[in-house]
Amino acid sequence: DQQVKQNSPSLSVQEGRISILNCDYTNSMFDYFLWYKKYPAEGPTFLISISSIKDKNEDGRFTVFLNKSAKHLSLHIVPSQPGDSAVYFCAASAAGGTSYGKLTFGQGTILTVHP
Amino acid sequence: KAGVTQTPRYLIKTRGQQVTLSCSPISGHRSVSWYQQTPGQGLQFLFEYFSETQRNKGNFPGRFSGRQFSNSRSEMNVSTLELGDSALYLCASSLAPGYNNEQFFGPGTRLTVL
Repeated sequence: DQQVKQNSPSLSVQEGRISILNCDYTNSMFDYFLWYKKYPAEGPTFLISISSIKDKNEDGRFTVFLNKSAKHLSLHIVPSQPGDSAVYFCAASAAGGTSYGKLTFGQGTILTVHP
Repeated sequence: KAGVTQTPRYLIKTRGQQVTLSCSPISGHRSVSWYQQTPGQGLQFLFEYFSETQRNKGNFPGRFSGRQFSNSRSEMNVSTLELGDSALYLCASSLAPGYNNEQFFGPGTRLTVL
């Protein structure tokens, strides 16, 4: 049961344009969401997070939007740079003792930014 | 501040053997989580430790175990290795024991089982 889904396996964008990565979730208990970036042979790097009490969080070129009613979040990267080319993972966590330390990840989206 | 470190980075074992992987969290971080990444299953949660106690466990067989020491360093052990255990094993640390904390990952240990 895939509780966090990234339906686009890959995304190709021109340098300077906006990259939009999408993520859907099914578990209504999820209330904290994170985006990670991963290069091959490295661990995921934390990018940005959002709590369910917000609908937007911004950090430099990265903005995450959360639509709780649609159980959907998205990561916007503006402007996109070639160094942003990596695999992007959406992750979610839920309140409650059974969720301690547990992030549920999507399958990832490969972002390629062309010069 | 040093990041999360994992040793060894690469490991080759044969079926039936056992393996121990090590993780040192970021200084001051007390919660350590372990994940397995495979092409087919993606990133899957293994377990989490805080104050030397396992507080949460993912859906993995009992061959997968771990522990945490008083200095927050953690080890995970896989016994009776199977071919399907070949994966990237990632350790992540976070500052506090709550659920909505950012986790910071190490580079991982690439385990190959022959």
